[in-house]
Amino acid sequence: DAGVTQSPTHLIKTRGQHVTLRCSPISGHKSVSWYQQVLGQGPQFIFQYYEKEERGRGNFPDRFSARQFPNYSSELNVNALLLGDSALYLCASSPRGGTEAFFGQGTRLTVV
Amino acid sequence: GQQLNQSPQSMFIQEGEDVSMNCTSSSIFNTWLWYKQDPGEGPVLLIALYKAGELTSNGRLTAQFGITRKDSFLNISASIPSDVGIYFCAGQLDAGGTSYGKLTFGQGTILTVHP
Repeated sequence: DAGVTQSPTHLIKTRGQHVTLRCSPISGHKSVSWYQQVLGQGPQFIFQYYEKEERGRGNFPDRFSARQFPNYSSELNVNALLLGDSALYLCASSPRGGTEAFFGQGTRLTVV
Repeated sequence: GQQLNQSPQSMFIQEGEDVSMNCTSSSIFNTWLWYKQDPGEGPVLLIALYKAGELTSNGRLTAQFGITRKDSFLNISASIPSDVGIYFCAGQLDAGGTSYGKLTFGQGTILTVHP
């Protein structure tokens, strides 16, 4: 079975631009979460979606937004990019009734 | 907010040695998870713990959910070179419901294994 897939794997953007990151969860998983991992640190929770509704939001500015589609895939959008947004963005999916989160390989975003 | 303190920050060991690392929290968690992350990759789930006092093994890995629900431990026996990587603990506060996957991570333990 395919795991969590994210696209693109790498991305370079200029300050002030907008970026969209995509995630496809494991088949049958209805919950998707997004995390930001800055070099040398553990992942930080950004958003969680379940059944297309936002169920949780971390301490991130309103420039960050996300949505989940009917097929349970998800997009993370970041507006007005800052240098400090450079990080590995991870998507994780979880099964209904389970608490384990399974991560994709991440999207490496570099803002210049 | 919740914070996890993971120690040690790094370990340098010889192949064949046993490894221990732990994670403590200022708050109670209902679930503890341990992940391994290789450079440029996403974290891979190693062990999940759901009950205080629970001891769970996965091959050479053994993890325990602390009685106080504020800590967890991971042990690796007879380390091999492919154990190299960063190990993260993660806690989840919510007990099921719809808050799946909302995890708080530790800072990670960098493991280096010398052949």
